[in-house]
Amino acid sequence: QVQLVQSGAEVKKPGSSVKVSCKASGDTFSSHAMNWVRQAPGQGLEWMGGIIPIFGAADYAQKFQGRVTITADESTRTVYMDLSSLRSEDTAVYYCAASSTVVGPAAPLDVWGQGTTVTVSS
Amino acid sequence: DIQMTQSPSSLSASVGDRVTITCRASRGISNSLAWYQQKPGKVPKLLIYGASTLQSGVPSRFSGSGSGTDFTLTISSLQPEDVAIYYCQKYNSAVLTFGGGTKVEIK
Repeated sequence: QVQLVQSGAEVKKPGSSVKVSCKASGDTFSSHAMNWVRQAPGQGLEWMGGIIPIFGAADYAQKFQGRVTITADESTRTVYMDLSSLRSEDTAVYYCAASSTVVGPAAPLDVWGQGTTVTVSS
Repeated sequence: DIQMTQSPSSLSASVGDRVTITCRASRGISNSLAWYQQKPGKVPKLLIYGASTLQSGVPSRFSGSGSGTDFTLTISSLQPEDVAIYYCQKYNSAVLTFGGGTKVEIK
């Protein structure tokens, strides 16, 4: 069974960048899409983008194009989400999520990381 | 991009009531629709995928239906532990869009 463990909470200044990591353990990683979903306080779930580690190219939500970069390191089974030009509205819990059974990018998400709180404040 | 619209945004029902939540896609997505449950302070949990297939371990009082653009999540007999926010999500492409969520409370 795949497990996803994320890096710890971050506090950032407006205009800076944050990089959150998500390490996968278990049987599958390289051919399953790893996605990033965020949730601002009191708000809904928002898909940011995803990557299939074996291919390396990421897909992004239009809203985050140009500001988010998702990368993967197959050797360490870790996926990264880098968000730049941070503003207060980026304060949220960031989750990585994946399908443990479906290969490819289009899949329901049955495995979730524990979430990483990113606070953007001056 | 395909938009996902849920209704209602919130509802209050009595224990034992039948509860229905609707999700509409702005274009057809076949049956590539999932439902998630998120309890307060918890990580989202996959309930249903393929519009109607129950994820392992999910109580049978939950069911899903629909295809194309219109989908429903039904709780046949609402229980206190079902208090949560429910989200639909489309996955017919690499762009995975969520609906806005429906908050379910006990009356």
